[in-house]
Parts: sequence; structure tokens; C-alpha cells
Amino acid sequence: AQRVTQPEKLLSVFKGAPVELKCNYSYSGSPELFWYVQYSRQRLQLLLRHISRESIKGFTADLNKGETSFHLKKPFAQEEDSAMYYCALGNSGNTPLVFGKGTRLSVIA
Amino acid sequence: KAGVTQTPRYLIKTRGQQVTLSCSPISGHRSVSWYQQTPGQGLQFLFEYFSETQRNKGNFPGRFSGRQFSNSRSEMNVSTLELGDSALYLCASSSRGPSEAFFGQGTRLTVV
Repeated sequence: AQRVTQPEKLLSVFKGAPVELKCNYSYSGSPELFWYVQYSRQRLQLLLRHISRESIKGFTADLNKGETSFHLKKPFAQEEDSAMYYCALGNSGNTPLVFGKGTRLSVIA
Repeated sequence: KAGVTQTPRYLIKTRGQQVTLSCSPISGHRSVSWYQQTPGQGLQFLFEYFSETQRNKGNFPGRFSGRQFSNSRSEMNVSTLELGDSALYLCASSSRGPSEAFFGQGTRLTVV
């Protein structure tokens, strides 16, 4: 069964500090991993996907198949990064995305 | 390009009533998925429609149903509402399947 675990419900960091949001997954096939972000009163939006290996808003995430992890990182947190972050697991087929329960990031000035 | 549009944005219903939510996907997207979002459970998958056929279904009771029309617009129906059905219902569309979904702003359903 597909499963996504985000161990932290809430993560508080100071502005300028590094951020790491943890995501671990369970899947026996070839996974596609995503990070979605939901800012206050805005829709859930795709932040980045592992297959594109891009950096969005300073965030990066590397898929580690050995550790089955896809942690989201940013070297210097900004106040505007405060939001709810969801890790999601999919595949190249037609099965639905499975989401973790989310981590609320709070960046303190 | 217009995004995913969900109507209505807010609903208040009484226990035992039924409700219908609507979702208009991004133009050209044929896959529409529905999720229930609650503070305790996060996002839980309800079902996915592709070309008017239900292709995937989550673990929700039969009170939750949906359909998709030929223009890819989708509706979700919940019958015999319970207090626990209070949630934000999100619709997502995709061009090639449930992955890489684009989400609407959701319909906030409150059951009293």
C-alpha cells in the first residue's frame, strides 16, 4: 500500500534559519513524489516534483530511494514561507495521489 | 488559462440533508479527482473520474458519489449528511491522470 508520513505537524523556525520538512514514503513500485503548499486562504498548489529536479522559491527536495524519503529543504527561511506543506506520492500510472497529513511551517521574524 | 473552479465556496447544511458540489476543471483536463480535507486527517482521496468514468475510488461510504459530464465538469453528491462530513472538499484536475493535479479553492461544507 502507498503511504506518506510527515512526522512533524508543526515546525517553527526563525527567519534566516535553514528549514527541512521531512517526508517518508512507502511504495513498492517506481514513485513520483511531489510537494504541495497551501498558503493562508489560498488554494493548494504544486511547489515542486522530484522528476524535474527544480528549485522553486528557494526550496529543493531530493528523492532518496534508499531511505524512501523526499525531504523539502530551504537554506534561509523567509516569513512568506509560512504555510501548510503536503508531501504527495503518485506514480506514472493512473492511481491517485496519496498525501501526507501535512506540516505547518511557521517562520518567526 | 482559467484554473479549477469550484462552486459554491461555502455551504451550511443540516444533518440528514443531501448536498451537491460542482467542479469545472482546467480546459483540456479530462481527469477530475475529489478530496476531503480535514484538520485531523489531512487530504483523503474520494474518487477520480476520467472521460465520464469513475477510474479510482477511495475508502468512503456509498453516501459519497460523483459523476462527470462530457465537458469534463464534475459533481460530487453527499446524501444523508452527518456532522463528521464537515470539511473542505477539494477538486483537482489533471491532463494525464491524478498525479500532478491542479486544485480548486474548495467548497467548505458545514453540517449542523
